[in-house]
Amino acid sequence: DTGVSQDPRHKITKRGQNVTFRCDPISEHNRLYWYRQTLGQGPEFLTYFQNEAQLEKSRLLSDRFSAERPKGSFSTLEIQRTEQGDSAMYLCASSLVAGDEQFFGPGTRLTVL
Amino acid sequence: SQKIEQNSEALNIQEGKTATLTCNYTNYSPAYLQWYRQDPGRGPVFLLLIRENEKEKRKERLKVTFDTTLKQSLFHITASQPADSATYLCAQGDSYKLIFGSGTRLLVRP
Repeated sequence: DTGVSQDPRHKITKRGQNVTFRCDPISEHNRLYWYRQTLGQGPEFLTYFQNEAQLEKSRLLSDRFSAERPKGSFSTLEIQRTEQGDSAMYLCASSLVAGDEQFFGPGTRLTVL
Repeated sequence: SQKIEQNSEALNIQEGKTATLTCNYTNYSPAYLQWYRQDPGRGPVFLLLIRENEKEKRKERLKVTFDTTLKQSLFHITASQPADSATYLCAQGDSYKLIFGSGTRLLVRP
């Protein structure tokens, strides 16, 4: 296994468009996390899945954001009607056990024009 | 709310010296702290985890301490090398969610 992968690595979109990102976790990891990181800041928690169940969604996430993890494998993060403030690095991570080390993917850098 | 603070100023040291990075937390007593390394344009990479009942953890040239009285963790890199130059992130956790500090950038001069 080559670790956590994310696609695309870069996305440039115009304000108002919808975008979708994909994350493939390490295969045996049933816990999956999404974070957002802006320049000069640490990653900020967005949402958490245990298998296919979304157990927590940050209050910081507006209704424009939605995440899924069908069948407890890969996950998608969709942002509808993008705004310039959504420009950031979106990171996915997975772990085998809650509270254990998290393995991060390379991230998807979103630029909203 | 839970808050975790790291020195935002970059740490600039000479190769071979020990780098010491500080992480302070307030308003909460985390069950564990984790330290990650992040290079520009890449995702964080896990380094060490220390639990609240542990005082110190070591891994090769790395050492982390956890002082629940001072609400502080110190991260040390001994015999530092230019390849250690990166941003180091501290994160606190209770069950699954990590709350990260803003990171401290380390620059090791040859």
